[in-house]
Amino acid sequence: SQQGEEDPQALSIQEGENATMNCSYKTSINNLQWYRQNSGRGLVHLILIRSNEREKHSGRLRVTLDTSKKSSSLLITASRAADTASYFCATSGTASKLTFGTGTRLQVTL
Amino acid sequence: EAGVTQSPTHLIKTRGQQATLRCSPISGHTSVYWYQQALGLGLQFLLWYDEGEERNRGNFPPRFSGRQFPNYSSELNVNALELEDSALYLCASTQWENNEQFFGPGTRLTVL
Repeated sequence: SQQGEEDPQALSIQEGENATMNCSYKTSINNLQWYRQNSGRGLVHLILIRSNEREKHSGRLRVTLDTSKKSSSLLITASRAADTASYFCATSGTASKLTFGTGTRLQVTL
Repeated sequence: EAGVTQSPTHLIKTRGQQATLRCSPISGHTSVYWYQQALGLGLQFLLWYDEGEERNRGNFPPRFSGRQFPNYSSELNVNALELEDSALYLCASTQWENNEQFFGPGTRLTVL
């Protein structure tokens, strides 16, 4: 079963705009990870944020985590056509396995 | 540094047959995870191996099994294939300290 929901399910923006995706989860976590998936291929690891962190940056990516609301957001700034993909959040608790959200499909048009 | 590798890329089988999928983790990683991504069901945890032992399994029937070899590579076996086993099977590895999991390109299994 899925840990939670991602919002929106799909997002279409123009190149250069920012894209924000949200993820909600249900149980306590040790960390939360964001992944990108292009056209049903493997998952590319983007960023990991620990439960005691509130914000993390990596290049054009900014991730926030609010454990009181059990939610996280991924911001991609100055989007490019190559950012077109599905984005998933995944939580890790004591059981070690990752539990994935439902994903957001991002379309960046020229 | 080489990433996680999986073979084969594609696999086509018929109902009732057996499928074997293989995964090689990143060098130095001792834990291997298997996930299934079936259409409409999202990414589901299948199995976790660490140091050659099965540590946890998801909500899948016993015909899904696997093993981990001394070199930490892993095999996923699916017996008595059913049509609904058609999916992308993803393998991930981690060093375990922070459970940052890195994925391979996947094996797409089609059951006819």
